[in-house]
Amino acid sequence: AAGVIQSPRHLIKEKRETATLKCYPIPRHDTVYWYQQGPGQDPQFLISFYEKMQSDKGSIPDRFSAQQFSDYHSELNMSSLELGDSALYFCASSLRGQGGNEAFFGQGTRLTVV
Amino acid sequence: EDQVTQSPEALRLQEGESSSLNCSYTVSGLRGLFWYRQDPGKGPEFLFTLYSAGEEKEKERLKATLTKKESFLHITAPKPEDSATYLCAVGKDTGFQKLVFGTGTRLLVSP
Repeated sequence: AAGVIQSPRHLIKEKRETATLKCYPIPRHDTVYWYQQGPGQDPQFLISFYEKMQSDKGSIPDRFSAQQFSDYHSELNMSSLELGDSALYFCASSLRGQGGNEAFFGQGTRLTVV
Repeated sequence: EDQVTQSPEALRLQEGESSSLNCSYTVSGLRGLFWYRQDPGKGPEFLFTLYSAGEEKEKERLKATLTKKESFLHITAPKPEDSATYLCAVGKDTGFQKLVFGTGTRLLVSP
């Protein structure tokens, strides 16, 4: 079965640079979520989109922005990168109203800021 | 404030030694309690969703139960391949779902 696809899997950037992470949800899923997971920490919710509109916002820095496109893929744009932004970034997708909105996660993008 | 607490933080078992992981939660408007398994450097893998107190779900050697304040993940006769971090998360009934995760239990099963 198709899963959530994230790209790239690994990304190394310098401080103050910009990074773009991409997420392709499971086909027919209408909701996309972004999470940030620091070393040894639990995933922290950043932002979500439902039917291409922002639906909820968590602890996402103002330097970050995200959007969901007409084909339902999503991109997380991160500017003025800081060392503390180094983390695993996960995208998840779900189908609203299906069961309990179980969210299925991608394999993540490991961002390293040097 | 919504809180999800998991215990123990780490657990080491011998192969075949059954045990339970705990997830206690304080959240308003609970809409589902979720269990995930996460291997190092990989995304959380969905295991179970529980919606109401008294509900139970099973999958192979895993069984999840739910009360009004906590959930247990029972592992029966574990194998080394069950070694992973097990994450508990709660979803809130805000109209749009987001998950609040606990910090996880790192399970190591020795042969």
